[in-house]
Amino acid sequence: GQQLNQSPQSMFIQEGEDVSMNCTSSSIFNTWLWYKQDPGEGPVLLIALYKAGELTSNGRLTAQFGITRKDSFLNISASIPSDVGIYFCAGDPRVEDSNYQLIWGAGTKLIIKP
Amino acid sequence: DGGITQSPKYLFRKEGQNVTLSCEQNLNHDAMYWYRQDPGQGLRLIYYSQIVNDFQKGDIAEGYSVSREKKESFPLTVTSAQKNPTAFYLCASSIGVFMNTEAFFGQGTRLTVV
Repeated sequence: GQQLNQSPQSMFIQEGEDVSMNCTSSSIFNTWLWYKQDPGEGPVLLIALYKAGELTSNGRLTAQFGITRKDSFLNISASIPSDVGIYFCAGDPRVEDSNYQLIWGAGTKLIIKP
Repeated sequence: DGGITQSPKYLFRKEGQNVTLSCEQNLNHDAMYWYRQDPGQGLRLIYYSQIVNDFQKGDIAEGYSVSREKKESFPLTVTSAQKNPTAFYLCASSIGVFMNTEAFFGQGTRLTVV
């Protein structure tokens, strides 16, 4: 089945640093979604991308839909303590054998060093 | 306010018992989903429903059952046949699988077998 490779698995950063994470796929995706999950809560949608090459910002967050349609990245600028959590990418392959279901990455855990 | 409500937040079950997790949405979404999340893992799809009175198995449906008698409600039953039910369960909804795959999540139910 289709898989998403999300990296890195975890990141230890200093407050104020910029953060970058990405997801890659072996097949083409039609939509890329980025979510954040706080401990013990459900994921919250951060950014949705619908077109190859699309670059979208949401405050300090910026995400891009790769030109090849097989990858996406999420950047966080000037990290703050509330950025801590797990970030997930999800993609919509929109092909018949996927039953139109989202494919999920395994998550990137962001930890801010004291 | 529109949203998805899962209840209870925490649930304890004795081995051999069936338990039902509640999920209600007032977003007027057609599609609803149940995911399972284990510590340090991504999301795995249990069941999904595209429309009332219809549902499909996801990747890990064994030991679970669902119903979709109303558009707003998609309860999940964890049966005694599920060998390792301790996990965090997330319910989600989206406008419809053919229109938009942006999924919105509830706050989750943490199930523990005692």
